[in-house]
This record gives sequence, C-alpha cells and structure tokens, in this order.
Amino acid sequence: NAGVMQNPRHLVRRRGQEARLRCSPMKGHSHVYWYRQLPEEGLKFMVYLQKENIIDESGMPKERFSAEFPKEGPSILRIQQVVRGDSAAYFCASSPSTGSRWAGELFFGEGSRLTVL
Amino acid sequence: AQKITQTQPGMFVQEKEAVTLDCTYDTSDPSYGLFWYKQPSSGEMIFLIYQGSYDQQNATEGRYSLNFQKARKSANLVISASQLGDSAMYFCAMREGNTDKLIFGTGTRLQVFP
Repeated sequence: NAGVMQNPRHLVRRRGQEARLRCSPMKGHSHVYWYRQLPEEGLKFMVYLQKENIIDESGMPKERFSAEFPKEGPSILRIQQVVRGDSAAYFCASSPSTGSRWAGELFFGEGSRLTVL
Repeated sequence: AQKITQTQPGMFVQEKEAVTLDCTYDTSDPSYGLFWYKQPSSGEMIFLIYQGSYDQQNATEGRYSLNFQKARKSANLVISASQLGDSAMYFCAMREGNTDKLIFGTGTRLQVFP
C-alpha cells in the first residue's frame, strides 16, 4: 500500500533553470493538491487537479509555474526559470474524494525540497 | 486577515506531561473542518486529528485530543503523556465549506525534554 510518492526528494537548480517535481497519488486517489512551504512557514495551497483537469489554481504564481495531471502517469509541478525565492519544500497531497466528505482523508507525500543556487 | 492563527512559535514540555498547542481560526462559513498535522525534522506531514464544525464531541485519537470551542473559534491540540518522539512542528489547518483547500497556520515547534 504505497503512500503518496514524490520525487525527487531533493533538487538543486541554478537560477534560470527548470525544475520538475513529480507526484504519484495513493492508489485509488484521483485528486491531487500541491502546496509550497517556505522556510519557517506553514504550507500554502498552490493548485488542485483531477485527472486531465485543473480545478483550482488560485494559489499558483501567475508566471513560470504550471501543473498537470495527465491521464497516465504522475502529476507534474513545473517551475521555469527558477529564482532564489522558489527555494522551498513542495508537498503533494492526494484524496479519494473532496469537499464535505473529507474527514482527514488528505494524505501528504514526503515533499520535494528545491534549492536554487 | 489571518484565517488560522498559532500564537506559540515554540513550546517546551517535559516527558510524560501534557501540553496544549493553541489554534484560533476565523471563518464566516458554518461548515468547516479543522485539522492538526505533525511535521518531524524529516519533513513529512503526518495527519493527527480532525474536527468537523458540526461534530458535537471533541475529537480524540489516542494521546491526541482536540479542545474545540466553537464560540471562541479555537481548536487547541492537547497531547497527553508527551514522548520524546513528539518533538516536531505542529500545524493547525482549516478547510472551509465545500472547498478542497487547506489553510495552514504558521506552526508551533514543540520540544519534549527528558
């Protein structure tokens, strides 16, 4: 029973490069969420996706950031032309359902830590 | 305005003692859920306990209980019989209505000493 799998766990990029972070939800989960945690802060919602659909991207920066959850394969969070301020832990979470049916059913991965030099 | 407020940046507790971590929230939605997560130094987010706004009783999960005071909009986490392994960051979070987003507080760092 694999949990939410994120890779890479650690990623180092130089300014201007691209970062790709992957998330495989738990088996049977079709809802994926990405959160960002800056150092010494709580998690901030970025985007919510279902298979092939972005449902809510209200927390995504307007530029350089994109996310997808294709029909096959993991969800990808892509950051183009990274800057030092993008250094953070990026968490993926998945759930089998949504909204009012929640009762602690949001499962987090171990996070991907991006360092921009 | 902050939706979730954790006013204690750090707390110390002796092993085997109980500790309360504070959390207040702000919402006008009558339907919401409150969560507590633990983040040890290894970084993963571990779900601890959940309280729905319509739940009549305070949630409990083993050594964790949630002191839910709806009128005061507080949802404090009580950890009984603290253990050294409880040393971690603790985050309070809220889901409003029928949305799918969790809003997190800034966290409280708990240190348990022998």
